[in-house]
Amino acid sequence: EVQLVESGGGLVQPGGSLRLSCAASGFNFNNYAMDWVRQAPGKAPEWVSYISSSGDTISYVDSVKGRFTISRDNAKNSVSLQMNSLRAEDTAVYYCARAGLAAADTFDSWGQGTLVTVSS
Amino acid sequence: DIQMTQSPSSLSASVGDRVTITCRASQTISRHLNWYQQKPGKAPQLLIFAASGLQGGVPSRFSGIGFGTEFTLTINSLQPDDFATYYCQQTYSTPSTFGQGTKVESK
Repeated sequence: EVQLVESGGGLVQPGGSLRLSCAASGFNFNNYAMDWVRQAPGKAPEWVSYISSSGDTISYVDSVKGRFTISRDNAKNSVSLQMNSLRAEDTAVYYCARAGLAAADTFDSWGQGTLVTVSS
Repeated sequence: DIQMTQSPSSLSASVGDRVTITCRASQTISRHLNWYQQKPGKAPQLLIFAASGLQGGVPSRFSGIGFGTEFTLTINSLQPDDFATYYCQQTYSTPSTFGQGTKVESK
């Protein structure tokens, strides 16, 4: 069974930093690209960042470029999101999602999410 | 960025009803359209990929159709477990973008 478990969320002040982690199990992690998708309260999901299976291709939504960094450790079956210079508008539930093999932006498995609240 | 617009934003239906949700893209996206179901407090779950492909484990009462800019998700014979919010997502260009959602409520 595919499992994705996020951790690292919490309350942070504007301008602060957080590091989210996602532990994967139940599938061959090395073969799959991974994404982070966030969802602000009462809003639609928003794609945030992508990392290829090898880690050599990375992309971000414009609103987080220069502030967020995605990385992965295939030896530990994990993907991370380092978030710096956080803003109130970054407040959301952050989901780790597995990208389908046939289409990189099709999210066929999701974690339970971790809440990030940016507030003073 | 490609804008995705769903209609209606919400609807009321009864068990056994046929429900149709529409998603329109601001430019052509071929068949690069997915549908997700989300229940309160849970992550979205993939229902339909590439406009009409049924994800494994999803009941056959769910179906999708469309090409270009207009797409439809149909739920035949709505079941109690289907009351949820549904989102479309385009994967034609980066950034991938979602519609605003359609909430299916019990009449």
